[in-house]
Amino acid sequence: EPEVTQTPSHQVTQMGQEVILRCVPISNHLYFYWYRQILGQKVEFLVSFYNNEISEKSEIFDDQFSVERPDGSNFTLKIRSTKLEDSAMYFCASSLQGQRQPQHFGDGTRLSIL
Amino acid sequence: QKEVEQNSGPLSVPEGAIASLNCTYSDRGSQSFFWYRQYSGKSPELIMSIYSNGDKEDGRFTAQLNKASQYVSLLIRDSQPSDSATYLCAPDAYNTDKLIFGTGTRLQVFP
Repeated sequence: EPEVTQTPSHQVTQMGQEVILRCVPISNHLYFYWYRQILGQKVEFLVSFYNNEISEKSEIFDDQFSVERPDGSNFTLKIRSTKLEDSAMYFCASSLQGQRQPQHFGDGTRLSIL
Repeated sequence: QKEVEQNSGPLSVPEGAIASLNCTYSDRGSQSFFWYRQYSGKSPELIMSIYSNGDKEDGRFTAQLNKASQYVSLLIRDSQPSDSATYLCAPDAYNTDKLIFGTGTRLQVFP
């Protein structure tokens, strides 16, 4: 069964550094998402992406964050100047057609900011 | 802020019993409702989707939706120890594909 893949599985970074989290969505999916889950808390929406542009973003997704689809398969989340509170699991998800379609999640990247 | 409420549990049931998981949501515009299972330290795994009022069955799982009461539930029949996980309720937000997650209900199935 096709799946969403994320790399790396764990990223440790010094505060203030930039990180790029990578995702390969399911190949025929058109809608892409990033969510995050701080340890012990709920999964939170960050951003949705369709047709090479952001369709919606949350209050969390400020100027520190950016997303990109650099080629036909990868979908990346960049966090500039990381902060301690950015430490979380970051999940990439994709869906076939957006609204009213299930979103399938990758295994996540655990981001630890020191 | 739209909210999704779930009892955090743990809900403990014996093997073979029916587990009943409940969820209420505040966004009357939600159209799609998803149940995800999340094992500790792992990612959410989709187990059920429901879009219309009533029941939807898939194997041992039954999802129930009542939009008037803003209530969605998940029944797990013949519960197995491998069902022990946190179950996340996730309706979409009105007119978007953004999912709003509850904190989840931790289910423990004991032999």
